[in-house]
Amino acid sequence: EDKVVQSPLSLVVHEGDTVTLNCSYEVTNFRSLLWYKQEKKAPTFLFMLTSSGIEKKSGRLSSILDKKELFSILNITATQTGDSAVYLCAPRASARQLTFGSGTQLTVLP
Amino acid sequence: SQTIHQWPATLVQPVGSPLSLECTVEGTSNPNLYWYRQAAGRGLQLLFYSVGIGQISSEVPQNLSASRPQDRQFILSSKKLLLSDSGFYLCAWSVGSQNDQPQHFGDGTRLSIL
Repeated sequence: EDKVVQSPLSLVVHEGDTVTLNCSYEVTNFRSLLWYKQEKKAPTFLFMLTSSGIEKKSGRLSSILDKKELFSILNITATQTGDSAVYLCAPRASARQLTFGSGTQLTVLP
Repeated sequence: SQTIHQWPATLVQPVGSPLSLECTVEGTSNPNLYWYRQAAGRGLQLLFYSVGIGQISSEVPQNLSASRPQDRQFILSSKKLLLSDSGFYLCAWSVGSQNDQPQHFGDGTRLSIL
């Protein structure tokens, strides 16, 4: 059975801090890994990673995948209160199916 | 650009009543469509996906069914709701002609069963 473990479960930081969110996975026929940000409603797509060692970057967010050790990290630098959300990782085991982790709840205090 | 609409945003239903949640996508043709359920503090669980009109795949046995009567319309239904059907239901779409595309989510329906 496919397994996704995200850590920490929750994290409270102050504005300006840097955070690292972790995602480890065991997925048969791994194809790619996606990160999403979920505020109150719809998860919004952040990154899709397919190759090890290649960092994807968007503003203050960046992510990297290690297919040998079966994990990915999501970094957020200079955090802002608007970064407060649940961050979900989802490895893909088939062309259409994603397996979601339970998420990391990030709270950024002013 | 593509948009996805889900309604209603919240719903309170008694046990044993029927359910119909609707999802429509605009700005794309022949999308892949998905229904997920998210329990409190949990990840998203895939319930159904569809690659075309009338084509539905079910991922978990349950009290719910899905239908795709039109290319960009996806409906989640139940004839008789159970307490365990409570949760946050999300519809999503991805580009249909290509594999391994990101899924994009609607705003969800929060369903409470009394």
